[in-house]
Amino acid sequence: DAKTTQPNSMESNEEEPVHLPCNHSTISGTDYIHWYRQLPSQGPEYVIHGLTSNVNNRMASLAIAEDRKSSTLILHRATLRDAAVYYCILMNAGGTSYGKLTFGQGTILTVHP
Amino acid sequence: DTGVSQDPRHKITKRGQNVTFRCDPISEHNRLYWYRQTLGQGPEFLTYFQNEAQLEKSRLLSDRFSAERPKGSFSTLEIQRTEQGDSAMYLCASSLGYAGLEYNEQFFGPGTRLTVL
Repeated sequence: DAKTTQPNSMESNEEEPVHLPCNHSTISGTDYIHWYRQLPSQGPEYVIHGLTSNVNNRMASLAIAEDRKSSTLILHRATLRDAAVYYCILMNAGGTSYGKLTFGQGTILTVHP
Repeated sequence: DTGVSQDPRHKITKRGQNVTFRCDPISEHNRLYWYRQTLGQGPEFLTYFQNEAQLEKSRLLSDRFSAERPKGSFSTLEIQRTEQGDSAMYLCASSLGYAGLEYNEQFFGPGTRLTVL
């Protein structure tokens, strides 16, 4: 599986935008970029995914570099409930991984009131 | 509640005992996954079921571990002769997946925290 690199931790203030980076320089053409987050004492939850184009949903936006070697998860207005570990994961749609997720260390996001 | 449920939420056992965990996925989901998470680490894949068939097992799943999904609905994960190194959070996830589906959003349960004394 292609690997991702994320900062260990980031901090933000409440109601400010947060940009969480992810590097994936060995991404293949059929790898989708997925983001999950894990709130304290909970299982992970899906945030967003994309292939080439930028994506928006009710939770966040995903900005994908033109060469696809990096991406950024954008939380437009952080709230205290967004404090979590954020995981950037590559998933090969054409492989036989059956959708299993390969988690890295993730980025611990701290949101200050 | 129609999400993924796991039972028990916490389990404390003595080294050498056997333990069994249960996962009830979202009812229409055909895919079921087990992951293990130790403190400060991301979850690690253990095994995967498509309906009742176990299609992939991680090298992490030693012969002391066995998982079943007998009728393609709930699943059990059994650990025999537990060791202190088995202490972890065991997470179950389910999804609706089929060939050609663009993505495969997984829904996770709250996990079972195992402590082996």
